Amino acid sequence: QVQLVQSGAEVKKPGASVKVSCKASGYTFTSYGISWVRQAPGQGLEWMGWISAYNGNTNYAQKLQGRVTMTTDTSTSTAYMELRSLRSDDTAVYYCARGVDYSSWGQGTLVTVSS
Amino acid sequence: QSVLTQPPSVSAAPGQKVTISCSGSSSNIGNNYVSWYQQLPGTAPKLLIYENNKRPSGIPDRFSGSKSGTSATLGITGLQTGDEADYYCGTWDSSLSALFGGGTKLTVL
Repeated sequence: QVQLVQSGAEVKKPGASVKVSCKASGYTFTSYGISWVRQAPGQGLEWMGWISAYNGNTNYAQKLQGRVTMTTDTSTSTAYMELRSLRSDDTAVYYCARGVDYSSWGQGTLVTVSS
Repeated sequence: QSVLTQPPSVSAAPGQKVTISCSGSSSNIGNNYVSWYQQLPGTAPKLLIYENNKRPSGIPDRFSGSKSGTSATLGITGLQTGDEADYYCGTWDSSLSALFGGGTKLTVL
């Protein structure tokens, strides 16, 4: 069965960076892209961007351009999302999801930004 | 403020039917497929409906989706207490950015 397993919770100070991982199993990793979605406490879903696991092409949300980088490691079927220059309003649960229809989701990674 | 507009909340009694609307524009819903997601409390979202009206395997036929013009609707029949969750619509815009509605909290009275 398809599984996406994310790395654990992180606490960061403002201005720092965070890198969240998402390890895929149960399907051919390079056949689907990985999307990243975040959810601030008590808020709705916010799309962050997408990366092709086949060729590494990316499409980032305009709001995050310049602060976010998505990568993949096909040797380990793992996707990564790095967010830099963290601010308090980046505090959220970060999800990875398979493809562009989000047919499977990771369990989420809580990133807390606090001084 | 989400580009896709959903009612903040809906409610109905067990066994009844409820619909959740998602309103957009010609630059998003009007020219793209719509998906629906269910998020149970404290869990990750789950895909309920894709390509406007298709259900992934394992999703009961109590859940249905439709689209007309620049709006989409999620229908749930035979409501159960386990259906209490937040529901989100999703689509794409003309710049290939994904969009989500603001979410609708379903209460089964």
